[in-house]
Amino acid sequence: QSALTQPPSVSGSPGQSVTISCTGTSNDVGSYNRVAWYQQPPGTAPKLIIYEVSNRPSGVPDRFSGSKSGNTASLTISGLQAEDEADYYCSSYTSSVTLVFGGGTKVTVL
Amino acid sequence: QLQLQESGPGLVKPSETLSLTCTVSGGSISSSNYYWDWIRQPPGKGLEWIGSIYHSGSTYYNPSLRSRVTISVDTSKNQFSLWLSSVTAADTAVYYCAKHEAIVDAFNIWGQGTMVTVSS
Repeated sequence: QSALTQPPSVSGSPGQSVTISCTGTSNDVGSYNRVAWYQQPPGTAPKLIIYEVSNRPSGVPDRFSGSKSGNTASLTISGLQAEDEADYYCSSYTSSVTLVFGGGTKVTVL
Repeated sequence: QLQLQESGPGLVKPSETLSLTCTVSGGSISSSNYYWDWIRQPPGKGLEWIGSIYHSGSTYYNPSLRSRVTISVDTSKNQFSLWLSSVTAADTAVYYCAKHEAIVDAFNIWGQGTMVTVSS
């Protein structure tokens, strides 16, 4: 199975908004709302920040929001803060009854 | 609260079998609606899903690793394990175990990860 496609990096100044795309196919992102996003600061385990395309677990700031259109899901970080600097990964359920991750996106706060 | 902890050798020789165990504490591995997964991350690279197991023993594997992977569960010990055979340097990675919420297919609790190096 092929990894979902994410941009290698995005950057923004504090207070700005950044959006990370996650492009799959009709066999994964396009057919299921089982898209999740994870935040991974350096040297730590990933943390779930979005599930089912746009739902936030308890404790995740509402600055993080998710959406989906066709085969592409997106994560938007509004009001960017220094603590948001991390790697971000999307994942999706697939028609092969497997899970697949995106390649990851490094978010830099300028 | 539920916690996961990986354990196993940090160094494995090429062609041998990598074996790791994940111990679940603060909750039962037999809970309904949860799968238990292994995920790995080579140094400086992205995440790769390895496979899932349900407490009944049902398994799902990444097609690219299926021929070399076995995941098992021991409900009496509240543990699940990973075996990866015929390892090469490409299998060098941080290996994570994670709790997989089946209804939404998301990993909501992760272990801290354990580094496994394949080298002679």
